[in-house]
Order: sequence, then C-alpha cells, then structure tokens
Amino acid sequence: NAGVTQTPKFRILKIGQSMTLQCAQDMNHNYMYWYRQDPGMGLKLIYYSVGAGITDKGEVPNGYNVSRSTTEYFPLRLELAAPSQTSVYFCASSYGQTGYTFGSGTRLTVV
Amino acid sequence: KQEVTQIPAALSVPEGENLVLNCSFTDSAIYNLQWFRQDPGKGLTSLLLIQSSQREQTSGRLNASLDKSSGRSTLYIAASQPGDSATYLCALYATGNQFYFGTGTSLTVIP
Repeated sequence: NAGVTQTPKFRILKIGQSMTLQCAQDMNHNYMYWYRQDPGMGLKLIYYSVGAGITDKGEVPNGYNVSRSTTEYFPLRLELAAPSQTSVYFCASSYGQTGYTFGSGTRLTVV
Repeated sequence: KQEVTQIPAALSVPEGENLVLNCSFTDSAIYNLQWFRQDPGKGLTSLLLIQSSQREQTSGRLNASLDKSSGRSTLYIAASQPGDSATYLCALYATGNQFYFGTGTSLTVIP
C-alpha cells in the first residue's frame, strides 16, 4: 500500500532550467494537490485537481503548470526555474474532503 | 480570505506533561478541520479529523476540539513522550476545495 509517491526526493536546478516533479497515488482518490512549504511558513497551495482532466489554480500558481490525464498521476512542471522556487514540494490526495494523504516531499534548490 | 494562526510557534515541555496546542481561524464556514504531525524532513501525517458538525475527536492520548463560533480548535496531548516531538499543523477544509494550513507549532518533549 504505497499511498502517495513523490519523485525525486531531492533536486538541484540551475536558474532557467525546467523539470517535472512526479506524484502518483494508488488509493483511487479523486482529489490531488500540490503544495510548497518554505522555512517557517505554512503550506501554500499551488494547484489542485478534483478529477482526471480537471485542474485549478491555488494560492501560488505562478511559474508552475500541472496536468491530470489519469486519476493516479498529477505531475507538477516548472518551466523556468527561479531562486524563489527553492522550497519543499508536497503532493497530497484525498477522497473528497476525507482521507487526506501526503507524500514525503521533494526538496528543490534553484541556484 | 481564511487566515489560520497557530500559537505558540514553538513549545518545549518535560516528559509526562499534558499540553494544549492552539489553532485559530477567521472564517467559520469550514467543512472540516484536521490536525497533522510533521517530522523533520518528512511529509505530513494526519492525526485527527473533525467534521464541521462535530465538537471533538479522540485518538489514544490525543483529543482535538472544534468551536466554530469562536474560530478555535485545540489539540490536547496527554502524558507527553519524547516521541511526540514534531511540528503540529492544523488545516481547515473550506470553500473552493482548498485546505488552509497554519504555520505550525514545533513541539519538543524533553526526556
């Protein structure tokens, strides 16, 4: 029972590079979320999805893109990495308003 | 906009002590409230979920209460243990299919 799996766990990017953070869940949850957590700050919602083919912006979407072609996968794309995107990124899933489960996070540094 | 505040930001207690963590929010129109635990470098683990119609939930040594009218929730930890040391976050599930997170309380239980 894997839950929510995020890859990679760590990554260092140079300014202007792009990358995709992967997120997969095996619980058949309909809702999936991407958050970022900065030191001493709360989690901020980047994007979320209420089902395959549906995505919506959260509180801090600028500089990111997402897609949800299947129920299981919800990748987060950074097109032109900036130092301000240095953070820990968490993917989460839920079945509606319940069963909220987090991945273990991806620590990203942009230099 | 929902604002979630957790006070204190950090708390240090001797082992065996009972303690209360506080979470306050500005908008009482919530679906539910969850308390999470986050260990250093790890993801979030859900501890307790309180639906908006409920007043409290209990799990082992943990008891969470919810008072929507006053915009407050508390997490009570009985007979604290060193293994309880972690950051505790509260999160509200509100309109817009979003969770709003507090900034957390960092708890240290001293043996």
